[in-house]
Amino acid sequence: DGGITQSPKYLFRKEGQNVTLSCEQNLNHDAMYWYRQDPGQGLRLIYYSQIVNDFQKGDIAEGYSVSREKKESFPLTVTSAQKNPTAFYLCASSPRTGGLYEQYFGPGTRLTVT
Amino acid sequence: AQSVTQLDSQVPVFEEAPVELRCNYSSSVSVYLFWYVQYPNQGLQLLLKYLSGSTLVKGINGFEAEFNKSQTSFHLRKPSVHISDTAEYFCAVSDLGGANNLFFGTGTRLTVIP
Repeated sequence: DGGITQSPKYLFRKEGQNVTLSCEQNLNHDAMYWYRQDPGQGLRLIYYSQIVNDFQKGDIAEGYSVSREKKESFPLTVTSAQKNPTAFYLCASSPRTGGLYEQYFGPGTRLTVT
Repeated sequence: AQSVTQLDSQVPVFEEAPVELRCNYSSSVSVYLFWYVQYPNQGLQLLLKYLSGSTLVKGINGFEAEFNKSQTSFHLRKPSVHISDTAEYFCAVSDLGGANNLFFGTGTRLTVIP
């Protein structure tokens, strides 16, 4: 089955530690995205990538980093510089960039930092 | 820049009753419009989308939405809800061309009461 996988589903870290969230897709999509979801705030774009070895900052990129070394993979690192990292993180992909294309979402990773 | 307003954060409705979830957007250019559904602790799933053509769009699970350009609205409707429709619903807008960035509303939690 084609789709997007995110692992792990739940992640716990101590404050001050960096943590990497995994996102893999087998849909052969060029574009991939990371969103952060907080209660009552909807989804906010962290980073997106239109093609391998290229990525762009979204609305709330501070304290996060990404890489896109393979078409299928778009890992997100939450660094110790992120002031409020506890949230639900969603990865998505679409065939191309451009408003015409639907985004497909993974099941999400819930990160808790204490 | 685009923005999306979902005026109702929570909508309780009895089973088999009709429901309307409101969405208004603002944009200086033509847009594409989407409704996504999110079940607890899961990713988002596309319900329906408006790209062009008929202003009445039909989606999955019996939902439909009507694009009203003059009122800049894209309200979601279902004539008879089921318990399984209990979820959070997000309206999103994307402009024509450019990066495929979706701007999401803050969501409406639909609770179907038996």
